Amino acid sequence: EPEVTQTPSHQVTQMGQEVILRCVPISNHLYFYWYRQILGQKVEFLVSFYNNEISEKSEIFDDQFSVERPDGSNFTLKIRSTKLEDSAMYFCASSKGANTGELFFGEGSRLTVL
Amino acid sequence: GQQLNQSPQSMFIQEGEDVSMNCTSSSIFNTWLWYKQEPGEGPVLLIALYKAGELTSNGRLTAQFGITRKDSFLNISASIPSDVGIYFCAGPSLGNTGKLIFGQGTTLQVKP
Repeated sequence: EPEVTQTPSHQVTQMGQEVILRCVPISNHLYFYWYRQILGQKVEFLVSFYNNEISEKSEIFDDQFSVERPDGSNFTLKIRSTKLEDSAMYFCASSKGANTGELFFGEGSRLTVL
Repeated sequence: GQQLNQSPQSMFIQEGEDVSMNCTSSSIFNTWLWYKQEPGEGPVLLIALYKAGELTSNGRLTAQFGITRKDSFLNISASIPSDVGIYFCAGPSLGNTGKLIFGQGTTLQVKP
């Protein structure tokens, strides 16, 4: 069964360092997303991406964040200068359409900022 | 903004018991979804509801889309240990960008 894959599964970084989280969405999906989940809290939307551009972003997704689809398969989230409060699970998701709500999530990348 | 409120926050039940959890909103959603998250994993879609009043089953799971479009419930019958996890309701936001809004989740623990 096709799945969304994410790397790394866990990254530990020093405050102020740049981090890139990588995702391979399901191949015939057109919409891509990043969500994050701080430990014990709900899943929060960061950004949606369609047709090679951001279609919506949340207030969490400030200038320190960026997304890119550098080739036909990868979808990356970059955090330019990490802060302690960026520590969270980051989930990539993809979907065929935008209005069904049927998202497929990866297993997540745990980011720990020290 | 659009928000989803889930209750209860957590449940601790005996294996074999039935479970019911609820999700409400102050605004209308045209789609309601229930996701389950197991420890160390991403959310997985359980049930999607597209029509007000719709009642849908998936094995031991049953969910209903409230007639007002402002609420939904999820029932699990005859719970088993592998039902353990966090259950999230979710709904697409306005704007047709695919963004989902999630509730805070209901944590379910099942005692064998």
